[in-house]
Amino acid sequence: GENVEQHPSTLSVQEGDSAVIKCTYSDSASNYFPWYKQELGKRPQLIIDIRSNVGEKKDQRIAVTLNKTAKHFSLHITETQPEDSAVYFCAARPLWGGKLIFGQGTELSVKP
Amino acid sequence: IAGITQAPTSQILAAGRRMTLRCTQDMRHNAMYWYRQDLGLGLRLIHYSNTAGTTGKGEVPDGYSVSRANTDDFPLTLASAVPSQTSVYFCASSTGTSGREVGEQFFGPGTRLTVL
Repeated sequence: GENVEQHPSTLSVQEGDSAVIKCTYSDSASNYFPWYKQELGKRPQLIIDIRSNVGEKKDQRIAVTLNKTAKHFSLHITETQPEDSAVYFCAARPLWGGKLIFGQGTELSVKP
Repeated sequence: IAGITQAPTSQILAAGRRMTLRCTQDMRHNAMYWYRQDLGLGLRLIHYSNTAGTTGKGEVPDGYSVSRANTDDFPLTLASAVPSQTSVYFCASSTGTSGREVGEQFFGPGTRLTVL
């Protein structure tokens, strides 16, 4: 069945450094790739998404890249801040319906 | 109500008991979903509904049932709870349905369930 693998499971960086989280997916029909941030005790919230007709999308300090041929996509956070500390989830789904399949999550810790 | 809500916030339940987790959204979203979240396993889809009157099975449906009598409500029932169902349960909703572009998925605040 469909599968999304996410790495690393934990990531610790110094404030101001960059953080990169990588995901691979198995379903060739997937063409919508959102990223969610979940702070401790809170609900997951969408922070950025990308569709397969583009290779990169940026929103201030956050960017996502997509390599559809290799079936992988990545989240890049630059100039990390302590408030970026959270669990990040990638996901994949066909844009026109279908089920959203999540990766296992990455716990990001930004040390001041 | 604003957005998507869940009840109860948390619950401790004896094994073998029946339990219904409630989920209500006021965004008129067609699609609704139930996930369970366990450490190291991410968010796993239990059941989903593309529109009122229809439901489907996700990755881990065994031991759970759902109904979708109307657009707003999507309850999840554990007919006879077991300790392995101890988890945090999230309800979610989104616009769109099969054959149409599906929008952002919004999550409820979650229900923490402990089965003893």
